[in-house]
Amino acid sequence: QQQVKQSPQSLIVQKGGISIINCAYENTAFDYFPWYQQFPGKGPALLIAIRPDVSEKKEGRFTISFNKSAKQFSLHIMDSQPGDSATYFCAASMDSNYQLIWGAGTKLIIKP
Amino acid sequence: DTAVSQTPKYLVTQMGNDKSIKCEQNLGHDTMYWYKQDSKKFLKIMFSYNNKELIINETVPNRFSPKSPDKAHLNLHINSLELGDSAVYFCASSQDGWGGVSGANVLTFGAGSRLTVL
Repeated sequence: QQQVKQSPQSLIVQKGGISIINCAYENTAFDYFPWYQQFPGKGPALLIAIRPDVSEKKEGRFTISFNKSAKQFSLHIMDSQPGDSATYFCAASMDSNYQLIWGAGTKLIIKP
Repeated sequence: DTAVSQTPKYLVTQMGNDKSIKCEQNLGHDTMYWYKQDSKKFLKIMFSYNNKELIINETVPNRFSPKSPDKAHLNLHINSLELGDSAVYFCASSQDGWGGVSGANVLTFGAGSRLTVL
């Protein structure tokens, strides 16, 4: 019940296309859902995050869509660029326990 | 100025040796972590310290021992290294890691220390 399931494992998108990465969770007590971006040779860095009181959060070309009833959330990257090529991790946590539960990661490659 | 710095960045050693990885953060955060990232990129939390006190100790072999001399430093010592210990080890810190009022556990990671055991 503590798991966060992330898909796909890898994704190849053409430049200018939309990249979509999905995550699903079981524990309804989770109330904070961040996405982290990791470039090769670097540590993960927070990209964007959402709370379950909103269904969507947008920051530039990055959007989180959140479906509370389905217990799913997804990251959409619009107008994907080669510089977006990285590994993306979703995660979840709850206020009573700040430990982040991580998805398995998605390696995204944007082809020029 | 590097917010979370780890040393060394690369470590190559023989099986059976003992090695340490050091981590320092200059963000004034209260909580620090060690994560292990395997070859498949999976992130596994190992330990977490809040104000020098151990708060998370996942199922990790007792060959791994964290030490936090103060809240800005968290070192990882590994005894009797095994082939399966080869991985990238990340140090991270957060302000609201435990008991924070904002509820947003934003982690700042170091660049990682790649350990190769031969």
